[in-house]
Amino acid sequence: KAGVTQTPRYLIKTRGQQVTLSCSPISGHRSVSWYQQTPGQGLQFLFEYFSETQRNKGNFPGRFSGRQFSNSRSEMNVSTLELGDSALYLCASMTGGFREETQYFGPGTRLLVL
Amino acid sequence: DAKTTQPNSMESNEEEPVHLPCNHSTISGTDYIHWYRQLPSQGPEYVIHGLTSNVNNRMASLAIAEDRKSSTLILHRATLRDAAVYYCILRGVSSGSARQLTFGSGTQLTVLP
Repeated sequence: KAGVTQTPRYLIKTRGQQVTLSCSPISGHRSVSWYQQTPGQGLQFLFEYFSETQRNKGNFPGRFSGRQFSNSRSEMNVSTLELGDSALYLCASMTGGFREETQYFGPGTRLLVL
Repeated sequence: DAKTTQPNSMESNEEEPVHLPCNHSTISGTDYIHWYRQLPSQGPEYVIHGLTSNVNNRMASLAIAEDRKSSTLILHRATLRDAAVYYCILRGVSSGSARQLTFGSGTQLTVLP
C-alpha cells in the first residue's frame, strides 16, 4: 500500500503571498489531519478533515484553511503569508473510525517565507 | 488531555538496549499510551501503543507501570537508524478526548557507533 504523499516537498514564497499544499492519504483512509512543525513551537495540530468535513480545528488564525475532496485528498491553504509561517507542514491520515487510532504521516512540505 | 514528561535527550551505544522513560501521572483510565518517533527530515512514525499490559512488536517493547503513571519504551538493540526524537503521547477514547496527537518536546535519542 502506498503511504501518505505530500506535494510539493519544498516551497519558497514571499510575505503576503498565498500557498496551497496537497496531501494524498493512504488508500481507504477517510481522515486527514494537518500539523505545523517549527523549531520554536514544535509540532502543533492545525485541523482534521473527515469525509469532506472539518471535524476538528487547532488554535491557528483564519489565514489557515483546508478542504477535503471526495477521494479523501486534502489541501491546506495559507493566505497572506508571514515570516513566521515558515515551517514543515505535515499531513497524517487514518481510517477515522476511532479516537485512539494510529496516524500515518507523510514526509511533509517545507515552506520558507521570505 | 493529560500531559507527559520525557527527558530532553538520551544517548545509547549501538547494539545496546535503550530504555526511554515517560511520566504521565495524570493519566486517566481510558487513555492509551502511544509512542511515535521522528527520524531526521521525515514525518513522525508510529512505534507502539498500549493500555495496561506490556506490549511487543517488531520495532520495540512498551513496559507500562502497574499504576500506569509511567511507561518505558524499550529498543532491544539500538542501531544508528534509531537516532530520532521519540514522543510519548496519551490518547483518550472518551467523547471529550481530542482526536489529534498532542506532541510534547520528546526525547532526542543519539546512538553512538
